Amino acid sequence: DGGITQSPKYLFRKEGQNVTLSCEQNLNHDAMYWYRQDPGQGLRLIYYSQIVNDFQKGDIAEGYSVSREKKESFPLTVTSAQKNPTAFYLCASSIDGVRNSPLHFGNGTRLTVT
Amino acid sequence: GQSLEQPSEVTAVEGAIVQINCTYQTSGFYGLSWYQQHDGGAPTFLSYNALDGLEETGRFSSFLSRSDSYGYLLLQELQMKDSASYFCAVRDQDSNYQLIWGAGTKLIIKP
Repeated sequence: DGGITQSPKYLFRKEGQNVTLSCEQNLNHDAMYWYRQDPGQGLRLIYYSQIVNDFQKGDIAEGYSVSREKKESFPLTVTSAQKNPTAFYLCASSIDGVRNSPLHFGNGTRLTVT
Repeated sequence: GQSLEQPSEVTAVEGAIVQINCTYQTSGFYGLSWYQQHDGGAPTFLSYNALDGLEETGRFSSFLSRSDSYGYLLLQELQMKDSASYFCAVRDQDSNYQLIWGAGTKLIIKP
């Protein structure tokens, strides 16, 4: 079955450490996205990539970094510069990065930093 | 600025009909989408409206009025499994067609 896989489901880190969240898709979608979700809030866009080897900052990119070396993979690194990293992180993909392509989401990674 | 408003919580009875409203303010409106998210799960796409009017998909319908900057999601014959959060999201031309999300409406269904 085609879909998006995020791993791990739960992640715990100490403050000051960088951590990388994995996102893999086998839907052959060109566009991929990282969102952050906090309780009682909508999704906020961190980074997105419309094509391999290219990505753009979203609304809250500070303290995060990404790479898009392969079409299937879009890992997100939460750096120690991110002031409030504890959150639910959602990866998504769409056929293309514009127009009305619906987003397909992974099951998310819940990151806790203490 | 860009913003979306939707109620934080709606309660309804199993078998009934419920409407979740969404008003938006964006500079480059390109379409309104609805997503469903169960607690701790992944959002799933429900519907998309680019033009005024009603779109029907089974028990769910979505409506858009661009002149009023308003849309709603209508859920009929409510089932307990419909208990979830529902998000409206606007695709915005001025944000490189990226989605701007509402804060979500938690739908509570009572038996």
